Amino acid sequence: QQQVKQSPQSLIVQKGGISIINCAYENTAFDYFPWYQQFPGKGPALLIAIRPDVSEKKEGRFTISFNKSAKQFSLHIMDSQPGDSATYFCAASKMSGGSNYKLTFGKGTLLTVNP
Amino acid sequence: NAGVTQTPKFQVLKTGQSMTLQCAQDMNHNSMYWYRQDPGMGLRLIYYSASEGTTDKGEVPNGYNVSRLNKREFSLRLESAAPSQTSVYFCASSGLTDTQYFGPGTRLTVL
Repeated sequence: QQQVKQSPQSLIVQKGGISIINCAYENTAFDYFPWYQQFPGKGPALLIAIRPDVSEKKEGRFTISFNKSAKQFSLHIMDSQPGDSATYFCAASKMSGGSNYKLTFGKGTLLTVNP
Repeated sequence: NAGVTQTPKFQVLKTGQSMTLQCAQDMNHNSMYWYRQDPGMGLRLIYYSASEGTTDKGEVPNGYNVSRLNKREFSLRLESAAPSQTSVYFCASSGLTDTQYFGPGTRLTVL
């Protein structure tokens, strides 16, 4: 049972273009939605996160769009750069006691930004 | 601060052998986690420890045991390794904020 579905599996974008990665979730109890970025040979690192009380969150070139009714959220990378080439994971969890103990991850998207 | 450290970085085992993966964090975090990452599968939670002295199963706990030795350290033990446990294992920790901080991973191969 896959609770968080991520697409596409891989994405190739030209430098300066917009990268869009989508995720859909099933559990309506989820209330925390982070995106993680992972470079080869490294551990994942938090990129940006959103809670369902807002529909969009922007940090620099990275934006999360959130659609609660559709149970979908997406990551937009504006002006994509070769240094953005990495694997991106969406995740979701239900906060419990102020902590997100059980993150459920999507399967990941390998982003390649060509120079 | 070193953040989250894991040892070893690489390990090759034969089927049936046992080993312990070590994890330590120096951020004074209460919660610690063990994940495994397999190609095309994302990260799956094996066990977590919400606070010192407590541990709970995650999504894929079978074949593993954990010990929260103290607030800093959280170990993962494979009692009898199987080829299906070939994976990259990540330890993570979190404190008062939502962010989970990941270690560099241990690449384990079981022959």
